[in-house]
Amino acid sequence: RKEVEQDPGPFNVPEGATVAFNCTYSNSASQSFFWYRQDCRKEPKLLMSVYSSGNEDGRFTAQLNRASQYISLLIRDSKLSDSATYLCVVTNRGSQGNLIFGKGTKLSVKP
Amino acid sequence: SQTIHQWPATLVQPVGSPLSLECTVEGTSNPNLYWYRQAAGRGLQLLFYSVGIGQISSEVPQNLSASRPQDRQFILSSKKLLLSDSGFYLCAWSTRDNQPQHFGDGTRLSIL
Repeated sequence: RKEVEQDPGPFNVPEGATVAFNCTYSNSASQSFFWYRQDCRKEPKLLMSVYSSGNEDGRFTAQLNRASQYISLLIRDSKLSDSATYLCVVTNRGSQGNLIFGKGTKLSVKP
Repeated sequence: SQTIHQWPATLVQPVGSPLSLECTVEGTSNPNLYWYRQAAGRGLQLLFYSVGIGQISSEVPQNLSASRPQDRQFILSSKKLLLSDSGFYLCAWSTRDNQPQHFGDGTRLSIL
């Protein structure tokens, strides 16, 4: 089983749609969780950290379910500029901060 | 604020040639430093990480090496490049204790 698994997509949605990405991780000792965004041929950029209580940043909402080892990202009112690949990332205890990346879910928002 | 610089942005090298990619971080002290590679259409692969000057850990055996001669400088090298070394190389830094990593702009390396 892969350490971090994501649906590769692509997700093709119209502007204004709500889209949800899911991610599962295999190590129950995972400590920190993040969503990154990567535009085509660019570096990954931190989108948001994911906290146990869930957190929101504008149109983006992240949820963590430790019991199910499941992370989600919800994007409301999607914009053309949201088109990118979204990477689910976790860190494990004792890993010296090494990030474990999912392969990403590609989102394409159409006019 | 912290910034990370990585160069060159693109590089075309013949098979068998040497390689040196440099990464520097500003605005922080004693960061963790990382080198990743991303092959076309693939996920990120951690190559090396460093928690301090002269301390390098390798994640994947290969013909690449890394060095950290100064606190905020991280260098990726090879004596003889292979075709399979083509890819997008990313340097990243973080503070300790499971904090997120921040990436440089990357170097796109093509081997001919």
